[in-house]
Amino acid sequence: GQNIDQPTEMTATEGAIVQINCTYQTSGFNGLFWYQQHAGEAPTFLSYNVLDGLEEKGRFSSFLSRSKGYSYLLLKELQMKDSASYLCAVREVRGKAAGNKLTFGGGTRVLVKP
Amino acid sequence: NAGVTQTPKFRILKIGQSMTLQCTQDMNHNYMYWYRQDPGMGLKLIYYSVGAGITDKGEVPNGYNVSRSTTEDFPLRLELAAPSQTSVYFCASRPGQGPYEQYFGPGTRLTVT
Repeated sequence: GQNIDQPTEMTATEGAIVQINCTYQTSGFNGLFWYQQHAGEAPTFLSYNVLDGLEEKGRFSSFLSRSKGYSYLLLKELQMKDSASYLCAVREVRGKAAGNKLTFGGGTRVLVKP
Repeated sequence: NAGVTQTPKFRILKIGQSMTLQCTQDMNHNYMYWYRQDPGMGLKLIYYSVGAGITDKGEVPNGYNVSRSTTEDFPLRLELAAPSQTSVYFCASRPGQGPYEQYFGPGTRLTVT
């Protein structure tokens, strides 16, 4: 099985930077996803890391260290519309369901204040 | 493309009633998933399918059933609804090849009283 941990809630100011950490334990890691979910809406894909290092996509970046079982999502130049939950999810390769399932963390609610 | 669609958007059930949550995707995706999300929590996998005629259990399958007779449709059946099944249900799909991103439907908000 998997254990995925991320902080429950974070608060930041408009224009600032926020870093959301995610740690995981798995025996068959094969990729980590970040999703954004606004209240009352479906999750939408933000980023995918399978190799160590930083992936940058506009104001959002995601980092992965497989040896440490650690990822973070970095949100720069925060805007009010970035207030949402951010879900970390790990793709596992193990057994007959190899690669077919994602396991999600509990999500981090980010509140951006003016 | 409409993407992933779900019906109904909202539903209130009495304890012991049954219902089917519908999910359809028009992207010709092989893989489809059903998740539930309780308030303030992450997503938990109920069932998934890797193609028509093939389904398998996720983390929390008890009280639910699925079928996959076509590539497009993946309905979720609740038998004998219980208050513990009050949740938001999301259907998702993804193609067979990378990068393995899942596309989510808008969700069904279910209350069992």
